[in-house]
Order: sequence, then C-alpha cells, then structure tokens
Amino acid sequence: DQQVKQNSPSLSVQEGRISILNCDYTNSMFDYFLWYKKYPAEGPTFLISISSIKDKNEDGRFTVFLNKSAKHLSLHIVPSQPGDSAVYFCAAAGGYQKVTFGTGTKLQVIP
Amino acid sequence: DSGVTQTPKHLITATGQRVTLRCSPRSGDLSVYWYQQSLDQGLQFLIQYYNGEERAKGNILERFSAQQFPDLHSELNLSSLELGDSALYFCASSVGAGYPDTQYFGPGTRLTVL
Repeated sequence: DQQVKQNSPSLSVQEGRISILNCDYTNSMFDYFLWYKKYPAEGPTFLISISSIKDKNEDGRFTVFLNKSAKHLSLHIVPSQPGDSAVYFCAAAGGYQKVTFGTGTKLQVIP
Repeated sequence: DSGVTQTPKHLITATGQRVTLRCSPRSGDLSVYWYQQSLDQGLQFLIQYYNGEERAKGNILERFSAQQFPDLHSELNLSSLELGDSALYFCASSVGAGYPDTQYFGPGTRLTVL
C-alpha cells in the first residue's frame, strides 16, 4: 500500500524554466510533508518542509504547495539550474506514522 | 557531509550469508533510522531506535535485526541473505524521537547478494 505516490518517475526541464514535481498521498493522518533531494552515490538531503496548517512554504528558489483537500503537494523550483538535477523524494508523516517516502522523481535540468 | 557515517560503502556476499552494516549518527542525535532502497523503489522504512530503545518498526523482515549501542551507533544485521536483499541501505539520524525533526542521511551501504 503506497501511501505516498510520485507518479512521474522522471522529468526534464530547460535551464531557467520552472520545474514542478508532484506528490499525492492517501493517509489523512499525515500533517507534515517534506522534500528530500538525492544525488548519485550520496544519501538524501533535506530540502524543504511544510506543515498542514500552511498551504505554501518558500525557501529561495524552492516553494512547496500543499492542497489538503486534494491530498496533493508540489515542489516548484524557479529558476531551474543544472545543479538541481537529482532524484527528489516526497515524504509525509503524521499521528503515530513514521515518515513515509515516495518512490522519487528524477529531475534533469538541461543546460 | 551530513555527519552520518556508514560502513562499509559496498558489500558483496553470497546467498545464505550474514552481514552487519554499521551507522554512526551525527553528534548529539539520539535517533537512528534504517531504510532500504531497492531498484526503482522508494525508501522503505525498516526500523528506528531512540536512545538505545526500539522506537518504531516498519517493513523489516524477521531475518533482519538491529540494535543501538550505548554510544548511539547502530548496527543492522541481515541474515540468511537472498538475492532480493540486494539494495542500498541508508541510515539516518535525528535529534529527537520523530517528526518534525529533520532526518540526516548517511551515504548508504550498497549490498549485492550473488
């Protein structure tokens, strides 16, 4: 039972344009959401998070949007840079649930 | 560098064998988490220890076990290995017992079972 789903395994974007990575969840107990970035041969690194009391959180070029009614969140990267090329994992937690990760989306930013 | 160390980086072994993966958390972190990432899969949570005690259990097989020692380092023991156990195993640590604490991940151990 995949409670956190990233339906796009990969995404290609031109440098300077916006990258939008999507994530859906099924468990209504989730109230905290995170994005992690992973480069090859490294562990995931925390990128940005959002609590369910907010619908938007921004950190520099990265913005996470949360739509609770749709059980959907998205990560926007503007402008996209070649160094952003990585695998992005969406994750969710809530109640007594452990942090649950999605399967990841591989982003390629083309120079 | 996250401050979380994992050894070894790579491990190649045969079916039926037993291996031990080691993790040292960031200084000051009391929680250690273990995750498995198989091909095309997300990070599957295995188990969490907090200050030496088991805190949460995920999809960990009975052939797998873990512990956290008084110095807070942790070991994940995998026994009676099968081909399907080949994966990347990540350790993460956090200050407290769970969210919203950020988890800091180590570089992983790549296990290949032949």
